[in-house]
Amino acid sequence: EAGVTQFPSHSVIEKGQTVTLRCDPISGHDNLYWYRRVMGKEIKFLLHFVKESKQDESGMPNNRFLAERTGGTYSTLKVQPAELEDSGVYFCASSQDLGQVMNTEAFFGQGTRLTVV
Amino acid sequence: AQTVTQSQPEMSVQEAETVTLSCTYDTSESDYYLFWYKQPPSRQMILVIRQEAYKQQNATENRFSVNFQKAAKSFSLKISDSQLGDAAMYFCAYRREYGNKLVFGAGTILRVKS
Repeated sequence: EAGVTQFPSHSVIEKGQTVTLRCDPISGHDNLYWYRRVMGKEIKFLLHFVKESKQDESGMPNNRFLAERTGGTYSTLKVQPAELEDSGVYFCASSQDLGQVMNTEAFFGQGTRLTVV
Repeated sequence: AQTVTQSQPEMSVQEAETVTLSCTYDTSESDYYLFWYKQPPSRQMILVIRQEAYKQQNATENRFSVNFQKAAKSFSLKISDSQLGDAAMYFCAYRREYGNKLVFGAGTILRVKS
């Protein structure tokens, strides 16, 4: 079974440009999460999808970030326009939705390293 | 808001020896989950071990075990008989009992010397 896959693995863009990160969750996982680790600090939650709906987007830093999950399968995270402080590693994770069973494990991708210069 | 602190940015251990990674957290809740994740270089982050706060017994997974001190809000990871493949970044994480998102610490880089 394929794990969580993220594209690209590494992206270098100039300030002001646009970048789109993609995440393919494990097939059948309704929950999809985006996290970000900036400059060696802690990994921080960005948002959570349940199927195609945004369940919690409290971690999104500002309106330059747009996440979508059309059709409830893969997700994209677009940064437009990118700023220097957006540099970091963006992680995607997915988990099953088992109703009242809340201790489902989250499976992570390898991350996308974004460098804004 | 919950916070997780890993006070050791880097640790080193000799192959076959034991190492302990520290983690403390802050929460006002009584029921929650704690996790240790491992991320090898350029690879996926994987779950190493999980602890439910309502369980007094410390979780163990082969060479990995935790020392969960609920009153002290401490959750350390012990790796016994360290192997070269244990070299990675280790993240401690917290999750509310009825929540989905994880709260992570800053991570500890573990180097294993042969």
